[in-house]
Amino acid sequence: DGGITQSPKYLFRKEGQNVTLSCEQNLNHDAMYWYRQDPGQGLRLIYYSQIVNDFQKGDIAEGYSVSREKKESFPLTVTSAQKNPTAFYLCASSIDFLDSGVVGDEQFFGPGTRLTVL
Amino acid sequence: SQQGEEDPQALSIQEGENATMNCSYKTSINNLQWYRQNSGRGLVHLILIRSNEREKHSGRLRVTLDTSKKSSSLLITASRAADTASYFCATDKRIFGTGTRLKVLA
Repeated sequence: DGGITQSPKYLFRKEGQNVTLSCEQNLNHDAMYWYRQDPGQGLRLIYYSQIVNDFQKGDIAEGYSVSREKKESFPLTVTSAQKNPTAFYLCASSIDFLDSGVVGDEQFFGPGTRLTVL
Repeated sequence: SQQGEEDPQALSIQEGENATMNCSYKTSINNLQWYRQNSGRGLVHLILIRSNEREKHSGRLRVTLDTSKKSSSLLITASRAADTASYFCATDKRIFGTGTRLKVLA
């Protein structure tokens, strides 16, 4: 099955610890994204990557870091510098970063990781 | 922030009624997409409308786009309990709105 997976589904972190959220896709997509979603809110873009070995900050990158060493993988590290990390984190991928409007060029989302800081 | 907004924030209707959600955005776009999110899950793509289109249909979904007003609407006809979810619009810059939480009562 082609798709995008995230792990773990639930993650608990003590204050002061770094944690890494996994995101893998086998859709052969160039672009990948990380979003944060707070209860009852929309999605806010943390980081995105248009191609391997390249990534850009989104609207709320402070306290987060990413890497894109492989096309299929885009892990997100939530560092101790992130003041309020408890949230639902969603990873997504698409053929290209800027949607050309071609059918099939939408974003595909993983099931999400719920991070709770204790 | 470039984040757009949907309204209403929450909508509760009876099964069989139509549900209309609106989306406003701030930047120029090439196209706009609508997504659905069931509680605690990832988003699923519903429909895409290009900037040169005014209306598009897909099954029970009807989307309109007014680029002069930077707004779009999503109409779900003959709603079902299974349509209960949050609905988001997103621009081609991958910027999402704040979502409308729809509850369809059986």
